[in-house]
Amino acid sequence: ETGVTQTPRHLVMGMTNKKSLKCEQHLGHNAMYWYKQSAKKPLELMFVYNFKEQTENNSVPSRFSPECPNSSHLFLHLHTLQPEDSALYLCASSQAGGRAGELFFGEGSRLTVL
Amino acid sequence: DAKTTQPPSMDCAEGRAANLPCNHSTISGNEYVYWYRQIHSQGPQYIIHGLKNNETNEMASLIITEDRKSSTLILPHATLRDTAVYYCIVRVPPESNTGKLIFGQGTTLQVKP
Repeated sequence: ETGVTQTPRHLVMGMTNKKSLKCEQHLGHNAMYWYKQSAKKPLELMFVYNFKEQTENNSVPSRFSPECPNSSHLFLHLHTLQPEDSALYLCASSQAGGRAGELFFGEGSRLTVL
Repeated sequence: DAKTTQPPSMDCAEGRAANLPCNHSTISGNEYVYWYRQIHSQGPQYIIHGLKNNETNEMASLIITEDRKSSTLILPHATLRDTAVYYCIVRVPPESNTGKLIFGQGTTLQVKP
């Protein structure tokens, strides 16, 4: 248990569906992140939020839409995805002053796009 | 952030020490060395970090060479549960909260009975 909870853990969706991934952190952190991990590839940083404000978008296609309503919650809204978007989506959080920026990761949401 | 080079895979016998190397020859003076690991289909987990002195915690030891161009993560008594991908990352500690990490391919450590 890392203090970062992701739901759902598994999701199967068609290319025309709209779904959302949810991340909640119980650590009092102020920064949250979305990473994508495709098969046999390194983790890719997608988005960074600091105090609810997006500070980084790593050239992510617009079919991925993040939302950060407060410092404890982060969503990734998905629409009209492609099969190549199938991957493990990982959420993380961090806090200044905590072990020099240690990131705490959730267990991930495994997405399959049919 | 400085680039790191790690062997793609390593084996280790259960109960023996696992020594995972990392080269970071372009490291800057203010960059730290971080190690994370990712057990299959789980999120990465922080292990240890250091600047220039050797570091030890309950999980592992980190040995950084005097010139800081390479380091070694040591798991003193590897168990089957230590089978994972180990990532060596070099970066400046964040001044603010946004301390993003950029992951490479890492080293897949297989601990064998």
